[in-house]
Amino acid sequence: GDSVTQMEGPVTLSEEAFLTINCTYTATGYPSLFWYVQYPGEGLQLLLKATKADDKGSNKGFEATYRKETTSFHLEKGSVQVSDSAVYFCALSNTGTASKLTFGTGTRLQVTL
Amino acid sequence: NAGVTQTPKFRVLKTGQSMTLLCAQDMNHEYMYWYRQDPGMGLRLIHYSVGEGTTAKGEVPDGYNVSRLKKQNFLLGLESAAPSQTSVYFCASTTNRAGAFFGQGTRLTVV
Repeated sequence: GDSVTQMEGPVTLSEEAFLTINCTYTATGYPSLFWYVQYPGEGLQLLLKATKADDKGSNKGFEATYRKETTSFHLEKGSVQVSDSAVYFCALSNTGTASKLTFGTGTRLQVTL
Repeated sequence: NAGVTQTPKFRVLKTGQSMTLLCAQDMNHEYMYWYRQDPGMGLRLIHYSVGEGTTAKGEVPDGYNVSRLKKQNFLLGLESAAPSQTSVYFCASTTNRAGAFFGQGTRLTVV
């Protein structure tokens, strides 16, 4: 079945540092890929998405590129802020699955001054 | 624009008690889902619905039941709560693979 693997956290960075959170997936066919963010005490918010190979999703300075050859969708940001501290989830939705999401286990990011 | 609304936000149950979690969406979405979130395990799908009057099992359906009598509402029931059902429950909805909208969550503790 479909699965998502993302790097374990927590990831601790200083403000303005470069961020990479790795995500790889296993799926048949052509899934859509997503990054969600969860701030403390809140639900998940869609951060960005990509629906086909080589697509780049971007939002709020975050980017991720759908790499079918390496089955990856790594999240990057050039300069993180304290307000980016949250848990980040990589997820996929495959064709013919009623748009169900399969999630990774989440990566906690802590940004310090 | 409320999006996805879950009630209640917090609840403590005794083992064996029953309860219903309510989810309402105002976006006219066809698909609705119930997930549970546990530390170190990400989110796991409990049940889902592809339209009014339809429901289907997800990854971890045991101990839960659902109903979708109206398109905008999706109810999750626990008939006899167990400590293993202590978790944070999230409802979500979408129309396609564009990404789902999530509610704020219900934190349930079973003692």
